[in-house]
Amino acid sequence: EIVLTQSPGTLSLSPGDRATLSCRASQSVGTNYLAWYQQKPGQAPRLLIHGASSRATGIPDSFSGSGSGTNFTLTINRLEPEDFAVYYCLQYGSPPWTFGQGTKVEIK
Amino acid sequence: QVQLQESGPGLVKPSETLSLTCTVSGASVNSGGFFWSWIRQPPGKGLEWIGYMYYSGSRNFNPSLKSRVTISIDTANNQFSLKLNTVTAADTAIYYCARVSNWGSLPFDNWGQGTLVTVSS
Repeated sequence: EIVLTQSPGTLSLSPGDRATLSCRASQSVGTNYLAWYQQKPGQAPRLLIHGASSRATGIPDSFSGSGSGTNFTLTINRLEPEDFAVYYCLQYGSPPWTFGQGTKVEIK
Repeated sequence: QVQLQESGPGLVKPSETLSLTCTVSGASVNSGGFFWSWIRQPPGKGLEWIGYMYYSGSRNFNPSLKSRVTISIDTANNQFSLKLNTVTAADTAIYYCARVSNWGSLPFDNWGQGTLVTVSS
């Protein structure tokens, strides 16, 4: 089973800042099948990025994903008030599919 | 617009079977290229993939739950279901149904709103 470790656990930033979130895998993620999700309180997660760097439909270009192998990054440029949420990475290259433990982006 | 909606009991007794149904609208559960999935999230915690099924019968489950999980598809009603037997308090969670698209290359692109299931006597 591939273990995903996200860092930091909490990121305290101001609107307009850039957020950089990390997701590290215990072994290489097949086909770079790494996705990112945003979850707000009381809501289901929303797909942001798939295939490590492809934005999902309707996701603004302020969100970008990068990385390969075992190291992946989600970058949010110019944080908007609605971007403060919890972010999860998911590897779906090898069963069982596994999620990271999440990074909370909170208002400083 | 694809919509998924979970339904089922919100309270299950320990050692009994948790049963949930996901009703799909705007897409067909027997369309090629889609896998139908369940994910859960204990209150205040992270996400756990339970498993998925393809309409042809192909399935894949999280090994940690495999011995207790059944996922099935009802094409007549455009639904899919989850059964988790011998539940304990550790199975208390929000249960989400979700779709995987493009033959697995687009994971969980549509989600239900989630339903809280509490295991308690």
